[in-house]
Amino acid sequence: QKEVEQNSGPLSVPEGAIASLNCTYSDRGSQSFFWYRQYSGKSPELIMSIYSNGDKEDGRFTAQLNKASQYVSLLIRDSQPSDSATYLCAVILNSGNTPLVFGKGTRLSVIA
Amino acid sequence: NAGVTQTPKFQVLKTGQSMTLQCAQDMNHNSMYWYRQDPGMGLRLIYYSASEGTTDKGEVPNGYNVSRLNKREFSLRLESAAPSQTSVYFCASGMGQDYYGYTFGSGTRLTVV
Repeated sequence: QKEVEQNSGPLSVPEGAIASLNCTYSDRGSQSFFWYRQYSGKSPELIMSIYSNGDKEDGRFTAQLNKASQYVSLLIRDSQPSDSATYLCAVILNSGNTPLVFGKGTRLSVIA
Repeated sequence: NAGVTQTPKFQVLKTGQSMTLQCAQDMNHNSMYWYRQDPGMGLRLIYYSASEGTTDKGEVPNGYNVSRLNKREFSLRLESAAPSQTSVYFCASGMGQDYYGYTFGSGTRLTVV
């Protein structure tokens, strides 16, 4: 069983809509959670990090964390065609100093 | 600042050939990582170095070796390339406690024929 799970998509949303990307993880002791954006042919780029239960907002992006449900999500408000990319969820599993584990990513397509 | 620099960007090898992928960071990061990315498989960790002088295996280390040359540089070596090692390779670096996530290099696209 993959330790960090994401739906592969593609997730298609119309321009201006809210895109909701979801991620679940296996280790209840995990403490640090990240969202990366990866355009086709490019390297992953960190866009959000979250460590506490609740919401964290940065511009059009909101990360949501629910440790009891082992669930982290990314909301993109007012989606733009330039948001079309693959979004990778990454987790530091357990409370130790271990490397990031990545989900397989969700491909988002924003339709103009 | 250049961030994380990887060389080469593209490479074609014949089966059995060897090569070294180079990675250097100028952010004074303690930890460095090598990932490979294959379609449908996501990013998988090959090796990492939590600090200068240490290296550890990741999820898919077979067929690879690494060297942490100094704090800035972390190289990945394929001793005898196989077609299964055709992939995109990413080097990344982090503060060490991983609290702030990683910065990635631009990647090396390797094809083994």
